[in-house]
Amino acid sequence: GAGVSQSPSNKVTEKGKDVELRCDPISGHTALYWYRQSLGQGLEFLIYFQGNSAPDKSGLPSDRFSAERTGGSVSTLTIQRTQQEDSAVYLCASSLGQSGNTIYFGEGSWLTVV
Amino acid sequence: QKEVEQDPGPLSVPEGAIVSLNCTYSNSAFQYFMWYRQYSRKGPELLMYTYSSGNKEDGRFTAQVDKSSKYISLFIRDSQPSDSATYLCAMSARLGGKLIFGQGTELSVKP
Repeated sequence: GAGVSQSPSNKVTEKGKDVELRCDPISGHTALYWYRQSLGQGLEFLIYFQGNSAPDKSGLPSDRFSAERTGGSVSTLTIQRTQQEDSAVYLCASSLGQSGNTIYFGEGSWLTVV
Repeated sequence: QKEVEQDPGPLSVPEGAIVSLNCTYSNSAFQYFMWYRQYSRKGPELLMYTYSSGNKEDGRFTAQVDKSSKYISLFIRDSQPSDSATYLCAMSARLGGKLIFGQGTELSVKP
């Protein structure tokens, strides 16, 4: 597709379960970002990929959170042993990286931990 | 103290009003400034992009950056009900770097 694609769009999971969120960036975009948005809050930076490497993972809130990117394209954000405070919208974005600052967002994955 | 501060509102104005949205920041290294619009249950979309200080106009939207005061603004002229959304300011220190977002201001334009 032409835009950033995220799946699942909605996920309800039980506390303690693991979840995987997927992001398919715009073709040709070398930079990929994960952000988290809690209800009524701004976007909280989680991690940034340039190609397959993550030069900035400073925003990951705990060691339960991890992310990888393969083939310079698709990225997966994994949350282990989910907690209720993990409930949020997880937004993925991509850009041309150092060739441009315009960041395009997907529609988000809405995670609810019950 | 957050790096970027933005009044969350909500802000309610009548149709046709001029809207002023603002953010302040503390990191003098920020050089790239953006405004995003986010409709309910949608991802943010880029509205305006400005490098360094100055003004930029695009249709009914004007973005202003005052680096000396660490203050950025977005003005919306002749506001329309379709402008009702949350507006997020964002900024970064370098090209391709991570964006730091404000909390977002919820705007409602009443017909």
